[in-house]
Amino acid sequence: GAVVSQHPSRVICKSGTSVKIECRSLDFQATTMFWYRQFPKQSLMLMATSNEGSKATYEQGVEKDKFLINHASLTLSTLTVTSAHPEDSSFYICSARDRTGVHEQYFGPGTRLTVT
Amino acid sequence: QKEVEQNSGPLSVPEGAIASLNCTYSDRGSQSFFWYRQYSGKSPELIMSIYSNGDKEDGRFTAQLNKASQYVSLLIRDSQPSDSATYLCAVSGGSYIPTFGRGTSLIVHP
Repeated sequence: GAVVSQHPSRVICKSGTSVKIECRSLDFQATTMFWYRQFPKQSLMLMATSNEGSKATYEQGVEKDKFLINHASLTLSTLTVTSAHPEDSSFYICSARDRTGVHEQYFGPGTRLTVT
Repeated sequence: QKEVEQNSGPLSVPEGAIASLNCTYSDRGSQSFFWYRQYSGKSPELIMSIYSNGDKEDGRFTAQLNKASQYVSLLIRDSQPSDSATYLCAVSGGSYIPTFGRGTSLIVHP
């Protein structure tokens, strides 16, 4: 149980284009999903928290107009990186928390984004 | 600013030994404590959660929590080379949004 998927696992895009990453909870309903970014050999950095049906809450320093988050259902959240630049190249990981009230969060396998 | 501190390591132990990973946190109101394992190039995987003082055992893993000392640890018994990874400590309070430590790199050598 508690499986989270992400798609795509890897993506290469040109500078200036937009990329959408999907995060799905496969066997549970997730009222809350989190989006993280991780640079090589660095810690996880929380970008935003999204609750189903409401606007995402972004961490300080994260541009909400650049990183668009949509949590349209209890099993799907999307992150769109708009007008991507090479410095956006990173490992993006989503996680989801079960609506039953258990506090653990389960991570997706991550998406490696390379912007050329 | 809520902080979660871990020694970055690497912690090197021989195969079969006990690996002891430590974590301290700053927020006294913290309620939930987690240990994640992250292999290089992969996403974190939840291995233990603990919510009350004392020990919690799951197979070769034991989590220990001491709220008075604001300290949580993870013991790995009979360490295996496959346990070599970065171990992340995460702590959350009333908001249920966890704060992650930077992680401790563990190397188990044959």
